[in-house]
Amino acid sequence: DAGVIQSPRHEVTEMGQEVTLRCKPISGHDYLFWYRQTMMRGLELLIYFNNNVPIDDSGMPEDRFSAKMPNASFSTLKIQPSEPRDSAVYFCASSSWDRARSEKLFFGSGTQLSVL
Amino acid sequence: QKEVEQDPGPLSVPEGAIVSLNCTYSNSAFQYFMWYRQYSRKGPELLMYTYSSGNKEDGRFTAQVDKSSKYISLFIRDSQPSDSATYLCAMKTGGFKTIFGAGTRLFVKA
Repeated sequence: DAGVIQSPRHEVTEMGQEVTLRCKPISGHDYLFWYRQTMMRGLELLIYFNNNVPIDDSGMPEDRFSAKMPNASFSTLKIQPSEPRDSAVYFCASSSWDRARSEKLFFGSGTQLSVL
Repeated sequence: QKEVEQDPGPLSVPEGAIVSLNCTYSNSAFQYFMWYRQYSRKGPELLMYTYSSGNKEDGRFTAQVDKSSKYISLFIRDSQPSDSATYLCAMKTGGFKTIFGAGTRLFVKA
């Protein structure tokens, strides 16, 4: 099992540009989460999906952020337009609804985003 | 006030020391309590999980939950340089929304 795969690992862009982050969850997992990590705010939940359907997007900071999950093996987080304060590490995580493992989140290695 | 409070450290200890990490929380509805370990430039990995109050031990690691005080702890015995990482406490109610603490950076010196 390759685990959760995120791309790109690093993204440097200029303010105002569109940024798209990608995630491939673990096969068979039916929950997918997007988190953002900064020194100031720690690890914050942005949005999560169940069976490709967005369940809770209350953590999405503004309308500039959007997330999609067109199928069970792919999700994107888009920022348009990007701003310097969006600079952070963005993590994707997946999990499976299984009483033995439902508390466990499997994280990808993250995308380090720098907006200049 | 944040739902979960955790001292960011850093905490520096000599090899072999007992390490105590802790978090406080405000939401009495939290039922699941976890500790994740995060190495530099990696995603967090689940280290310990406890449901409701009580203790749980796994090798050198012990997790404690005191729901009456809204306080959780992680103890690391015989700490090793390989334990150097950021430790994040995490909690959730019966749903799927996991709330994380800020993380405590731990350095174990050889």
